[in-house]
Amino acid sequence: QSVLTQPPSASGTPGQRVTISCSGRRSNLGNNYVYWFQQLPGTAPKLLIYRNNQRPSGVPDRFSGSKPGTSASLAISGLRSEDEGDYYCAAWDDSLSWVFGGGTKLTVL
Amino acid sequence: EVQLVESGGGLVQPGRSLRLSCAASGFTFGDYAMHWVRQAPGEGLEWVSGISWNSGSIGYADSVKGRFTISRDNAKNSLYLQMNSLKPEDTAFYYCAKDFASTWENNYFDPWGQGTLVTVSS
Repeated sequence: QSVLTQPPSASGTPGQRVTISCSGRRSNLGNNYVYWFQQLPGTAPKLLIYRNNQRPSGVPDRFSGSKPGTSASLAISGLRSEDEGDYYCAAWDDSLSWVFGGGTKLTVL
Repeated sequence: EVQLVESGGGLVQPGRSLRLSCAASGFTFGDYAMHWVRQAPGEGLEWVSGISWNSGSIGYADSVKGRFTISRDNAKNSLYLQMNSLKPEDTAFYYCAKDFASTWENNYFDPWGQGTLVTVSS
């Protein structure tokens, strides 16, 4: 049972906009930043969004993040087949640990 | 380019020990905190442990506290995870990851290595 809650799956057709939610509590998302990681099939996770809505260099602006209160969301616009994979949210928890969501499997139809 | 290469995984019996290593290159290793994160096959991510730049601050997930020990050797650009009293539920890919800052608390980590698989089974 993951500390942060994500939907197990999401899907969309090429070109569509898809959002993935992540919910937590005050001790994690309420008080701290959210981070999003992308894991493509057979590869290690890669940082996609940091500090709620910042993109590392090289990440397309099709990816965006937001965090209102104790929930967060990742939006992917202009969906592409190469976006298919698993997406995880993460946050620092005031109990002195890092917590992750269970992951959302994104399918591009 | 930052490179992190894990090694030391394998098949081990329950109750035995294993030591993982992570060789770092492409950055000043001694300036940054480091982490271990694991992923059971087909499952999600779980943070395992973090260590500050000078080993002065260390943290563990409750699931491994008292059994796992994180350490680093800045002269060798290497991170380690000593895993004792292993359980079948410790079976996972273990990734090392570089922190953004010198402390492991409340920053973020990227990039990650490719992982090493630990299988705990009799």
